[in-house]
Amino acid sequence: SQQGEEDPQALSIQEGENATMNCSYKTSINNLQWYRQNSGRGLVHLILIRSNEREKHSGRLRVTLDTSKKSSSLLITASRAADTASYFCAPNAGNNRKLIWGLGTSLAVNP
Amino acid sequence: GAGVSQSPRYKVAKRGQDVALRCDPISGHVSLFWYQQALGQGPEFLTYFQNEAQLDKSGLPSDRFFAERPEGSVSTLKIQRTQQEDSAVYLCASSRQGDYSPLHFGNGTRLTVT
Repeated sequence: SQQGEEDPQALSIQEGENATMNCSYKTSINNLQWYRQNSGRGLVHLILIRSNEREKHSGRLRVTLDTSKKSSSLLITASRAADTASYFCAPNAGNNRKLIWGLGTSLAVNP
Repeated sequence: GAGVSQSPRYKVAKRGQDVALRCDPISGHVSLFWYQQALGQGPEFLTYFQNEAQLDKSGLPSDRFFAERPEGSVSTLKIQRTQQEDSAVYLCASSRQGDYSPLHFGNGTRLTVT
């Protein structure tokens, strides 16, 4: 199934530190997307990495993808309190309808 | 441009009442999804539209749930005879045509059934 499983389930760090979240999945994919969800809000698309890419950057975000291990990681550098949110990965095997969302990683950045 | 808009933001219904939740997707977005999200969980797929056609409703939990998108833009999710287990956040998302496009979510409607 196109399900992403995030690890760890919860992460608490100090402002300025880096945060790393991991995602594992089971099927071959076309792309993998990361989303952020602030409390009481909808999910916000952060970054999309295609299956033929190994690394992608967007501002303070760095995403890696290892298709041989069926895993991805999201690194947030120099974290801020505003980064406090839940982060979800969405491995896409070619059908958005079949995305199965995991529980996410709940990140708390303490000022 | 405006993002995905959902209304109402909060809805409290007495058990047995019918509710209607509205979603205004991003203009021009062909695909529209409804999700249900319980507290502490990820979103769970309910149904999918491509333009006005409801191509997948496999996630609707019962025949009390009904969704429509008659003109291929605004969509309404209707829940009849609400039950306490229907209490959740209902998220709408839209995307451009194609199965690889990122999803744009609204802020959801928090439904509480008392």
